[in-house]
Amino acid sequence: DADVTQTPRNRITKTGKRIMLECSQTKGHDRMYWYRQDPGLGLRLIYYSFDVKDINKGEISDGYSVSRQAQAKFSLSLESAIPNQTALYFCATSEPGTPEKLFFGSGTQLSVL
Amino acid sequence: SQQGEEDPQALSIQEGENATMNCSYKTSINNLQWYRQNSGRGLVHLILIRSNEREKHSGRLRVTLDTSKKSSSLLITASRAADTASYFCATGGNQFYFGTGTSLTVIP
Repeated sequence: DADVTQTPRNRITKTGKRIMLECSQTKGHDRMYWYRQDPGLGLRLIYYSFDVKDINKGEISDGYSVSRQAQAKFSLSLESAIPNQTALYFCATSEPGTPEKLFFGSGTQLSVL
Repeated sequence: SQQGEEDPQALSIQEGENATMNCSYKTSINNLQWYRQNSGRGLVHLILIRSNEREKHSGRLRVTLDTSKKSSSLLITASRAADTASYFCATGGNQFYFGTGTSLTVIP
């Protein structure tokens, strides 16, 4: 089983819909991150969390919100999806001892029509 | 944006040849990492080099770091078809900034 699991793997939705992407991990890591990947732009950080009560905005947080329900769960929500949020979304984790070493999930491909 | 940039954007080589890709970044760093991404999948951490290191090896990977030029290079020796992937550099402390990636194709 994957250590960092993202659901769903693929999602197609319509403009204006609320969408939640979920991430769970069995690595016991405290730190969790949400990134989006767009062709030619690399990965950009949306939000990150260092523990259950800690939420921080990343480079491109507008239009997104997150919830850290437990140490192992970190969800990303799009309150009202728009077409330019079409992207590949990745959840990642790391531990305080080696924070630079990120472990990624397999990604969620989101298409907003 | 604090993103780095990889160069070249795409690289195609024959199996057995060496592949070199470069990363330039904008701000002072404590360390720099290289990641690999197979098509459409999650990134996998390859190697980390700290700002006080100039060169680091891991198997067929050799990474160099020149902090005066704010640049790093990743060399893959004796490439294999299985090395076909995109390679990204990343910098940061609490937030990590990724470059735009180099797409490597190794032709059998």
